[in-house]
Amino acid sequence: AQKITQTQPGMFVQEKEAVTLDCTYDTSDPSYGLFWYKQPSSGEMIFLIYQGSYDQQNATEGRYSLNFQKARKSANLVISASQLGDSAMYFCAMREGGGRGSTLGRLYFGRGTQLTVWP
Amino acid sequence: KAGVTQTPRYLIKTRGQQVTLSCSPISGHRSVSWYQQTPGQGLQFLFEYFSETQRNKGNFPGRFSGRQFSNSRSEMNVSTLELGDSALYLCASSLSAKTDTQYFGPGTRLTVL
Repeated sequence: AQKITQTQPGMFVQEKEAVTLDCTYDTSDPSYGLFWYKQPSSGEMIFLIYQGSYDQQNATEGRYSLNFQKARKSANLVISASQLGDSAMYFCAMREGGGRGSTLGRLYFGRGTQLTVWP
Repeated sequence: KAGVTQTPRYLIKTRGQQVTLSCSPISGHRSVSWYQQTPGQGLQFLFEYFSETQRNKGNFPGRFSGRQFSNSRSEMNVSTLELGDSALYLCASSLSAKTDTQYFGPGTRLTVL
């Protein structure tokens, strides 16, 4: 089974509007971390936001917030006030085991969502 | 603070050759992970190193190998290149024990002809 599922191959949003990118995950480990990365056409993966499985509140980083629904195993990324520079591929990823302080370095990635912001 | 650097950025090789890719982590980071990204398979984990020891390995053939040096810099090597090895190879670094976040470099784009 896929560890991370991103069901939206592509999304379109108008500038200044909010957009939600979906991510569901599958793990039996009670301790895990969820990440979102942005990959522009240049190829570099840019870290956006992190949510730990034991975190009580949804993570926020500037215009990015993570809608964490543990029972549903979903970790959707919300981008508020989209900008043209937000156009990129967005990846959801998960790391199992240990949460913060884990020594395991493996990330499982979804297939990504290509976001296009139009003026 | 400088980010993760990878060299070379682009590489063209022919089948059967071998290649070595280099990654310098963020200063103070002791863990380095490698990933392969292809259109068909997406992002796949290769291996992770911490304090010169391989701690975790993905499902890749033995032609893929790596190592980490005492200064945390890492190299990965692919021997007997195949056309299917054409990919973007991404390196990521993280602190050892107090953070889960991996920061990525710009990648090395390998083309095998």
